[in-house]
Amino acid sequence: GQNIDQPTEMTATEGAIVQINCTYQTSGFNGLFWYQQHAGEAPTFLSYNVLDGLEEKGRFSSFLSRSKGYSYLLLKELQMKDSASYLCAVRDASGGSYIPTFGRGTSLIVHP
Amino acid sequence: EPEVTQTPSHQVTQMGQEVILRCVPISNHLYFYWYRQILGQKVEFLVSFYNNEISEKSEIFDDQFSVERPDGSNFTLKIRSTKLEDSAMYFCASSEEHPYSNQPQHFGDGTRLSIL
Repeated sequence: GQNIDQPTEMTATEGAIVQINCTYQTSGFNGLFWYQQHAGEAPTFLSYNVLDGLEEKGRFSSFLSRSKGYSYLLLKELQMKDSASYLCAVRDASGGSYIPTFGRGTSLIVHP
Repeated sequence: EPEVTQTPSHQVTQMGQEVILRCVPISNHLYFYWYRQILGQKVEFLVSFYNNEISEKSEIFDDQFSVERPDGSNFTLKIRSTKLEDSAMYFCASSEEHPYSNQPQHFGDGTRLSIL
């Protein structure tokens, strides 16, 4: 199975930029998702990477390096509402499963 | 925007009792999922369902669990004899395409299950 590692918690200032890292170990990598989860709410999809490089979507960007088993989520122009948990989920198809496995998430606190 | 809906939002049940959690996936979606999240822990996959049968399940999804699509809209998770450790948030999700694709799963707001 996968071994997905994310920092437990990060803090940042409103208006700043923050990078949330995710490292993983798989034998059959087949895609990486980032989700946002506010406390007590459902995860909501942010981005998907399967090829190396940067995917940009508004204030959020996600980067993938398959050779390094590494991804990051970049949040620009931080807003207070960005305070949430950010979940990295990796799909490993080596065992025939198509279901992504979630990491423990990074709790981001944005302060004024 | 269409969304996945779950009922109830909070369920309190005595240990040993049966509980049924209900979900209405997005109408044109074909793949359905149940996940759970124990307080403070990660989101864990339970089961996926397609074409009226289980397509994949995790080690957590033992004989105490079952899923059903009783009609054209509902998707249910049944826990036959609840244990204290079943206390968690249960999320239903659905996707339009096979989970192998780049299409994400859309999650409902969850049912918080509390076992006493």
